[in-house]
Amino acid sequence: QKEVEQNSGPLSVPEGAIASLNCTYSDRVSQSFFWYRQYSGKSPELIMSIYSNGDKEDGRFTAQLNKASQYVSLLIRDSQPSDSATYLCAVNRAGYGGATNKLIFGTGTLLAVQP
Amino acid sequence: EPEVTQTPSHQVTQMGQEVILRCVPISNHLYFYWYRQILGQKVEFLVSFYNNEISEKSEIFDDQFSVERPDGSNFTLKIRSTKLEDSAMYFCASSEAADTQYFGPGTRLTVL
Repeated sequence: QKEVEQNSGPLSVPEGAIASLNCTYSDRVSQSFFWYRQYSGKSPELIMSIYSNGDKEDGRFTAQLNKASQYVSLLIRDSQPSDSATYLCAVNRAGYGGATNKLIFGTGTLLAVQP
Repeated sequence: EPEVTQTPSHQVTQMGQEVILRCVPISNHLYFYWYRQILGQKVEFLVSFYNNEISEKSEIFDDQFSVERPDGSNFTLKIRSTKLEDSAMYFCASSEAADTQYFGPGTRLTVL
């Protein structure tokens, strides 16, 4: 079982629609979850972090976490063509003694917003 | 807004040569990381660094790799003898605490 799983897509939505991106993870002790956006040939850009069960909203973005189901999602409202990118789900895995941490990434979901 | 910077943006080298990739983390950050992304694949953790020592390294980070913080601002990744399979994007990241990580723009390494 992959540690962090995402549907690779592409997920195609019309401009103005809601895009829903999903992610599941295998390690139950994970505590921090992140969504990054990656444009082709560029680096991951942080969109949101979420730590507690429930919803967290930031502008057009809403992250949802369900630790019991080991499920994280990202909703993008009023999708714009500029939102077209690969969305990476990442889970924080504590290092030895908790001194640092590493991010375990999914393969990403390619989102295409059609004008 | 503070950001992580990396140089060079693109490095081309011959197989067997040594390369050094450079990063300047965000100034008040204490935790530093290297990740790599082979074309078409996912981002993979290489190494984390805190308090002037390696905190954790992945299986990828073998004896050919080393990291160093030579001064108060730079953080480097050295590959001693590059292989074809080392061709990838290498991302440096930093965090203030052992949590939210911010990524630099990356260095594209091409090994011929």
